[in-house]
Amino acid sequence: NAGVTQTPKFQVLKTGQSMTLQCAQDMNHNSMYWYRQDPGMGLRLIYYSASEGTTDKGEVPNGYNVSRLNKREFSLRLESAAPSQTSVYFCASNKQGLNTEAFFGQGTRLTVV
Amino acid sequence: GQSLEQPSEVTAVEGAIVQINCTYQTSGFYGLSWYQQHDGGAPTFLSYNGLDGLEETGRFSSFLSRSDSYGYLLLQVLQMKDSASYFCAPTGGGNKLTFGTGTQLKVEL
Repeated sequence: NAGVTQTPKFQVLKTGQSMTLQCAQDMNHNSMYWYRQDPGMGLRLIYYSASEGTTDKGEVPNGYNVSRLNKREFSLRLESAAPSQTSVYFCASNKQGLNTEAFFGQGTRLTVV
Repeated sequence: GQSLEQPSEVTAVEGAIVQINCTYQTSGFYGLSWYQQHDGGAPTFLSYNGLDGLEETGRFSSFLSRSDSYGYLLLQVLQMKDSASYFCAPTGGGNKLTFGTGTQLKVEL
């Protein structure tokens, strides 16, 4: 059982380049999330998808777009990367409802130079 | 609006008990979860409180008071491996799961 799989694990981009971070889960979860984590800032929600076909902005959506491709996959796109987007990105998923444990991918360490 | 507050750092000795507090303001609040994250790792789930009161899972317990918008995580018989960051995470309307800035726990000998 793979859980939540994120790719790539590491990435270096030049300012202005674009890229898509991929996330897939095999637990039949309804909800999926993208977070970024910077030192001292905790985990900040970028976008989330409560169920297939829906996406909503989180706390820090500017500069990002998402696609809930199907129930399994939720991708995060940086159209024009900026140094301020240097961060560790985590994807997570859980069932919708009460007492729902969220499972996290291992993270993508992104550096924008 | 939404806000979350928890202490940034707590230090305790091995074998002791430590309490990490969390106050929140969350629209459409469902419940409060706690997560642990070791340096370089991903967050992992510890506990969830949907109702007021205490939930116990081994050495860890979590408490919620919905009327006070307050919860805490209690760690007993601290071990060196408990050194990590701990996050409170309220679930709000639309299954929106947000995290606080985290509390770094340092366990000393």
